[in-house]
Amino acid sequence: DSGVTQTPKHLITATGQRVTLRCSPRSGDLSVYWYQQSLDQGLQFLIQYYNGEERAKGNILERFSAQQFPDLHSELNLSSLELGDSALYFCASNRGDTDTQYFGPGTRLTVL
Amino acid sequence: AQTVTQSQPEMSVQEAETVTLSCTYDTSESDYYLFWYKQPPSRQMILVIRQEAYKQQNATENRFSVNFQKAAKSFSLKISDSQLGDAAMYFCAYYSNYGGSQGNLIFGKGTKLSVKP
Repeated sequence: DSGVTQTPKHLITATGQRVTLRCSPRSGDLSVYWYQQSLDQGLQFLIQYYNGEERAKGNILERFSAQQFPDLHSELNLSSLELGDSALYFCASNRGDTDTQYFGPGTRLTVL
Repeated sequence: AQTVTQSQPEMSVQEAETVTLSCTYDTSESDYYLFWYKQPPSRQMILVIRQEAYKQQNATENRFSVNFQKAAKSFSLKISDSQLGDAAMYFCAYYSNYGGSQGNLIFGKGTKLSVKP
């Protein structure tokens, strides 16, 4: 158990809908990272937050957004969902001043 | 841009034997970190081993060790005394605080390891 929690574990929704994925980092970790794992694209970095502020952005679509709250949990919002958004979404965390990232169990999103 | 390449989509090893998974990477940075992550059927991403680029000594963690060749930009993972529980997808990953990938991990496509009893 990495100490990073993600909810929900599974999410099934329809095209055009909006969903919110939640992540709670390890105790003491200030940085949260979001990654998408899909069959065709592999594991891709989406976005990073550090202590409430956006720090780095990767291949994140404009339909996707994220935020980190004062209690340091983070939410990834996916809107106008398409079939191709079906993937496993991981959250990872660290103190922000270290390199090692610890991953949560992931949220499997299925868009029908 | 930094890239990570795993040229072996699938590998197989007999239980108790040794297997080596390959990884090469491309970067112009001199200060970076390399990782191997394991993803079993549960889909959890588990850190296996970590290597700091400025350290010449190869990292080891129990039955797992790496062969880090900085000049060749090669970072292979050796699993000794393979166990059934080692069967998983293995991802090589690169991290640097500098350059275009600042702060995030760049992953290879993965190698699926099967362990035969």
